[in-house]
Amino acid sequence: DIVMTQSPDSLAVSLGERATINCKSSQSVLYSPNNQNYLAWFQQKPGHPPKLLIYWASTRESGVPDRFSGSGSGTDFTLTISSLQAEDVAVYFCLQYAGTPRTFGQGTKVEIK
Amino acid sequence: QVQLQQWGAGLLKPSETLSLTCGVSGGSCSGYYCSWIRQSPIKGLEWIGEIHPHGNSDYNPSFMSRVTISTDTSNNQFSLKLSSVTAADTAMYYCARGTDSRKIQHWGQGTLVTVSS
Repeated sequence: DIVMTQSPDSLAVSLGERATINCKSSQSVLYSPNNQNYLAWFQQKPGHPPKLLIYWASTRESGVPDRFSGSGSGTDFTLTISSLQAEDVAVYFCLQYAGTPRTFGQGTKVEIK
Repeated sequence: QVQLQQWGAGLLKPSETLSLTCGVSGGSCSGYYCSWIRQSPIKGLEWIGEIHPHGNSDYNPSFMSRVTISTDTSNNQFSLKLSSVTAADTAMYYCARGTDSRKIQHWGQGTLVTVSS
């Protein structure tokens, strides 16, 4: 199985400041035939299912604010919230879907400082 | 707009079979990846398995001998059966649908399944 490890487990950021979450995979999730990284980011708020933010490591899902961005390739990825808003308080997960079983990171809790 | 609505029994006894169904409105499973995922405080998010666009299925080896995912294309539904449940199967279960570029995109609302004698 591809193991996904996120860091940090939690972080507190002031409103308007940048939040950065890292995700590392135990194997590359880059799919050579189309040169895409099969890595997604989700946001989950209490009592709700996860919501897709980013797919292919850096493509923003329709309707997601542009303060959310994804970067990275191969085994190292980053989700950045450029200017944290109150509604961004949530747990964020990465997911690799290059291989089966699909595997998730353990989650990073983002709070307001 | 695609919406997934799921239903099924929320309280089971050990050794019983978990059975959940997910209805897809605004679309179907045909031509898409249709998945089941569960979430618990202990294990986090776990992918259980999926049906591929062409109809074949893939399962997490952790569940392989106990799990079946099937589709009912005429009713735009897909289902999960997990046999011989134990307390360790207590979790929130989600259905999801996606495409090749984003295999897990739209999620159901979740069903809390508790296994207790």
